[in-house]
Amino acid sequence: QVQLVQSGSELKKPGASVKVSCKASGYTFTSYAMNWVRQAPGQGLEWMGWINTNTGNPTYAQGFTGRFVFSLDTSVSTAYLQISSLKAEDTAVYYCARDGYNFWGQGTLVTVSS
Amino acid sequence: SYELTQPSSVSVSPGQTARITCSGDVLAKKYARWFQQKPGQAPVLVIYKDSERPSGIPERFSGSSSGTTVTLTISGAQVEDEADYYCYSAADNNLKVFGGGTKLTVL
Repeated sequence: QVQLVQSGSELKKPGASVKVSCKASGYTFTSYAMNWVRQAPGQGLEWMGWINTNTGNPTYAQGFTGRFVFSLDTSVSTAYLQISSLKAEDTAVYYCARDGYNFWGQGTLVTVSS
Repeated sequence: SYELTQPSSVSVSPGQTARITCSGDVLAKKYARWFQQKPGQAPVLVIYKDSERPSGIPERFSGSSSGTTVTLTISGAQVEDEADYYCYSAADNNLKVFGGGTKLTVL
């Protein structure tokens, strides 16, 4: 069965970096793009962008350029989201979702606090 | 524009029909999806291509489209349908957007 399993919660200080992983199983990883979605506490869903799992080419939504990087390791069927120069307002749950959106990771809470 | 506008809240009694709208220019050209999200859980796809229902989603969930507005209808809403609902669509240039979300209360 298809599963997306994300890495665990992270507590980071402002200015640090974090890398969230999303490990896929149960299907051919390169057959579907991967989307990333952010949800700040008590807020709605924000589409951050997607990465083409064949080419590795990322597309970022407005507001998610510069400090946000999508990457892949196709050898282990894993997508990554790296956020650098963390700010308090980056505190959120981050989800990966396979293209088509039938399958989502469980979410990773990233907390940025001094 | 890339914005999708939803009402912030909708309230119905159990057994009534709940309708949640989503408006945006892109909806005249692009299909919409609808997601249900309960507290502490990942979103669940309930409608795609405006009106298609994924397997496992109850028949009481349906979707429709007219011009720049799409509507999620829950016929005979049940207490377990209480959740946040988000519309979603693709804009141009491979960009996508979620609506602001609608809190559905069933009581």
